[in-house]
Amino acid sequence: DSGVTQTPKHLITATGQRVTLRCSPRSGDLSVYWYQQSLDQGLQFLIQYYNGEERAKGNILERFSAQQFPDLHSELNLSSLELGDSALYFCASSVVKGGSWETQYFGPGTRLLVL
Amino acid sequence: DQQVKQNSPSLSVQEGRISILNCDYTNSMFDYFLWYKKYPAEGPTFLISISSIKDKNEDGRFTVFLNKSAKHLSLHIVPSQPGDSAVYFCAAHPMNQGNLIFGKGTKLSVKP
Repeated sequence: DSGVTQTPKHLITATGQRVTLRCSPRSGDLSVYWYQQSLDQGLQFLIQYYNGEERAKGNILERFSAQQFPDLHSELNLSSLELGDSALYFCASSVVKGGSWETQYFGPGTRLLVL
Repeated sequence: DQQVKQNSPSLSVQEGRISILNCDYTNSMFDYFLWYKKYPAEGPTFLISISSIKDKNEDGRFTVFLNKSAKHLSLHIVPSQPGDSAVYFCAAHPMNQGNLIFGKGTKLSVKP
């Protein structure tokens, strides 16, 4: 158990809908990262938050947004969903801001299926 | 353009033998490289890392080798055990950035 929790574990929805994925980092970790893993692909970095502030953006679509709350949990919002958004979404956390090296610990992921 | 490449989608090894997983990268601005192991329905689990200023790091049965001139790293598992059967992801950490860049993974099967 990495100490990173994600809910829900599975999510099935229809095209055009909006969903929210939730992540609680390990105790003491200030940085949260979101990654997307599509079928047979590696993990693609979406966005990073540090202590409530956005720190870095990767290949995140404009239909997607995220935030980190004062208690450090994070939510990833996916809207106007398309079939191609079906994927595993992982959250990871680490202690430091990023930029300097620190191991990232991953949650179990949320499997999203868009029908 | 993939910056981190794992060219073997799968590898099958006999229990007790050595497993060698390979990874190539194209960017010289990575300062750390990592290996993660992933079981089905679980998140990636950190396995071992290596700084770009080193050429070898060992942790029990797991050893990572880095060849900077060839932009290549490998993970050696000796001896391989059936419980090592999983997907192994190579990842690289760009300098001055927080995120990791992952390869597509290699599925290792260790047969009893």
